[in-house]
Amino acid sequence: DVQLVQSGAEVKKPGESLKISCKGSGYIFTNYYIGWVRQVPGKGLEWVAMINPGDSDTRYSPSFQGHVTISADKSITTAYLQWSSLMASDTAMYYCARATIWFSGAFWGQGTQVTVSS
Amino acid sequence: ETVMTQSPLSLLVTPGEPASISCRSSQSVLHSNGNSYVDWYLQKPGQSPQLLMYLASIRASGVPARFTGSGSGTDFTLKISRVEADDVGIYYCMGALQTPTFGQGTRLEIK
Repeated sequence: DVQLVQSGAEVKKPGESLKISCKGSGYIFTNYYIGWVRQVPGKGLEWVAMINPGDSDTRYSPSFQGHVTISADKSITTAYLQWSSLMASDTAMYYCARATIWFSGAFWGQGTQVTVSS
Repeated sequence: ETVMTQSPLSLLVTPGEPASISCRSSQSVLHSNGNSYVDWYLQKPGQSPQLLMYLASIRASGVPARFTGSGSGTDFTLKISRVEADDVGIYYCMGALQTPTFGQGTRLEIK
């Protein structure tokens, strides 16, 4: 079965760095893109970025470009989303999702809660 | 950036009755390959979103036949022929070309 297992909840202070992970299994990791989607508590879904683990093709939402970095290590079938300097407004649930080139037909992980508070 | 606009934003439905959600895209999501890149997702309470429909009208694996997706270009619809208690949650459309963009969500509740 296809699985996307995300790393656990994080509590950080403003200005700290963070890297969360998403491990894929049950499928050929390099055959699909992995994307990240943000959901602020009680709000809707915002697409953040996506990466092709096979060739490292990456795409970012203009709203998040420059603030987050997406990466992947195909040797361990894991994708990452990282911040070098967190802000309180980064507090949200972050979902990874396996999808096609246009982020269509996404299969989602269980989510990682990120809380940024002083 | 494409804006996806859903209506209504909430639905209160009696079990066994139909329901319909509209999604309008500010730009065409029709690819040159003939596919309209619109997905529908359901986020049940406390869960991750789950795929219902992709390419506007193709049901994802395991999705009951009472869910139907239609539309092309800029106007899309998700219909549930007979609502069940398990259908409760927030329904999102997503335009999947260029920068993927989600609609605001439609909350479905049972009467």
